[in-house]
Amino acid sequence: EADIYQTPRYLVIGTGKKITLECSQTMGHDKMYWYQQDPGMELHLIHYSYGVNSTEKGDLSSESTVSRIRTEHFPLTLESARPSHTSQYLCASSESAGGRTDTQYFGPGTRLTVL
Amino acid sequence: AQRVTQPEKLLSVFKGAPVELKCNYSYSGSPELFWYVQYSRQRLQLLLRHISRESIKGFTADLNKGETSFHLKKPFAQEEDSAMYYCALSGHNYGQNFVFGPGTRLSVLP
Repeated sequence: EADIYQTPRYLVIGTGKKITLECSQTMGHDKMYWYQQDPGMELHLIHYSYGVNSTEKGDLSSESTVSRIRTEHFPLTLESARPSHTSQYLCASSESAGGRTDTQYFGPGTRLTVL
Repeated sequence: AQRVTQPEKLLSVFKGAPVELKCNYSYSGSPELFWYVQYSRQRLQLLLRHISRESIKGFTADLNKGETSFHLKKPFAQEEDSAMYYCALSGHNYGQNFVFGPGTRLSVLP
């Protein structure tokens, strides 16, 4: 079934650890996005990709990095986690639709807590 | 810069009452506007987009360029409408990336 997956769903780690949040989609979409969302607050775009080997930083500055080696996979990495990284991270994907903006499909999210 | 505001963080209405979730935006151009919804324990999903001009689950939204608004309306609220609602804007000048509003939590009381 076509879907967008995120693992882990919940992660509690200590300060200084390196972590990778996984995001995969089987929808055949070329565009993928990472958003950060604090509870009850708006979503902020932190990274996006329009295709393989294409990555861009979003509107919100983030210490994380991303890679896009395969179309379906868009992992996000924090080299050294800090308590300020505690948040929910949402992955999304969309397909190109000519000049029209694409609908974004969201994954279930990863709730990260850094102690 | 593009920006989306939703003035109400929480909106409570009784079942059967009309509901209006407000959304205002700022953008120098012709944006595309969306409403996304997140029900309890579910992922964020598209509710409707202004170019479709359709009614989804009884909700409608009209883009008012003069007032730069895209309010979401439903004439008779149902308990299952309780959720978090996000207004979003996409501007072609910025590579079609989305800007989301802060969200409004709608609570429909029995």
